[in-house]
Amino acid sequence: GENVEQHPSTLSVQEGDSAVIKCTYSDSASNYFPWYKQELGKGPQLIIDIRSNVGEKKDQRIAVTLNKTAKHFSLHITETQPEDSAVYFCAASTGSQGNLIFGKGTKLSVKP
Amino acid sequence: GAVVSQHPSRVICKSGTSVKIECRSLDFQATTMFWYRQFPKQSLMLMATSNEGSKATYEQGVEKDKFLINHASLTLSTLTVTSAHPEDSSFYICSASKDGRYGYTFGSGTRLTVV
Repeated sequence: GENVEQHPSTLSVQEGDSAVIKCTYSDSASNYFPWYKQELGKGPQLIIDIRSNVGEKKDQRIAVTLNKTAKHFSLHITETQPEDSAVYFCAASTGSQGNLIFGKGTKLSVKP
Repeated sequence: GAVVSQHPSRVICKSGTSVKIECRSLDFQATTMFWYRQFPKQSLMLMATSNEGSKATYEQGVEKDKFLINHASLTLSTLTVTSAHPEDSSFYICSASKDGRYGYTFGSGTRLTVV
């Protein structure tokens, strides 16, 4: 089955700096890669996603890149703000009514 | 956008009792919903796939008789934790997808504490 590895587990950056979180997956059939932000005591919130027919997607300060050959995808947050502090999860799915397989999460701390 | 409502947000129950958690898709129909469990500082682990009008599909190691899932309509799935024990204490979260394939939206989660 699918296995998703996520690094780093914790990341601390200064406000205004960029943050990068990386994930690798094992199942070549996976074709959908969402990223979720989870704040303490709340459910995960979808922040951006990418499908396998696209190499990069950007939404304001957030971007995701996908390398299908290497089976890895990354989340890039630019101009970080304290409110970006949260736990971020990557996930992978085959997209055919398939469930999401999550990485272990990255706790991002943005220091003012 | 797609909205998934989960209720209750917090529940405390006595050991041996049962607790029901509801997951509703408010602005779309969902033939499939997913139930996850999350321990503190850990990732989300899929428990089961809830299918409207048919039996749920449970992941390996999840007791189907303990975690009863009912998906009676296209907008409602329920998870009942039967004969709850302290080790069942956890954060339970449901999710659904508007098109059944992408853009999964999660509920706000239910913090279950069994005393």
